[in-house]
Amino acid sequence: GAVVSQHPSRVICKSGTSVKIECRSLDFQATTMFWYRQFPKKSLMLMATSNEGSKATYEQGVEKDKFLINHASLTLSTLTVTSAHPEDSSFYICSATTGTDTQYFGPGTRLTVL
Amino acid sequence: AQSVSQHNHHVILSEAASLELGCNYSYGGTVNLFWYVQYPGQHLQLLLKYFSGDPLVKGIKGFEAEFIKSKFSFNLRKPSVQWSDTAEYFCAVIPARSSASKIIFGSGTRLSIRP
Repeated sequence: GAVVSQHPSRVICKSGTSVKIECRSLDFQATTMFWYRQFPKKSLMLMATSNEGSKATYEQGVEKDKFLINHASLTLSTLTVTSAHPEDSSFYICSATTGTDTQYFGPGTRLTVL
Repeated sequence: AQSVSQHNHHVILSEAASLELGCNYSYGGTVNLFWYVQYPGQHLQLLLKYFSGDPLVKGIKGFEAEFIKSKFSFNLRKPSVQWSDTAEYFCAVIPARSSASKIIFGSGTRLSIRP
């Protein structure tokens, strides 16, 4: 149980375009979902926390207009990277929790912006 | 500020050696503690967690961790490592009763096992 999926697993896009990444909790309802960014050989950096039906809470330094988060249901959250630039290239990971403090992580999405 | 420190950035061991990875956190209140593992090319998986009770916690694949409150530590151990344990290991903390459940990760320790 407690499986989280992400789609797509890899995406390559041109600079200036927008990319949407989906995060789904497959066998449980997630009260809260989190979006992280992982840099090479570095730890995960929390970008934002999202609760179903409400606006996401962004961490300091994360541009909310650039990284749009929508948590439409208890099993789906989306991250849209708008007007992507090469510096947005990274590994984006989502996690989901039922509120018990244990987070279940998705497999990640590798974004490459050309 | 709350933080998690993993002092070993890269550990190299031979198979059958014993393992101990250090983890210290800075937070004055009660915390929930986790160790996650990320195998090459795979996503983060929960190894074990401590919320309360017996401070010696057993996880999957023969791993265990001991919570020592006085030292603010939660070190990960395994008596005999295998080549398949090669991975990145992350210690993490959530302040208990944190409504947002925001997890704070350490910087990770890369474990390389020589066959």
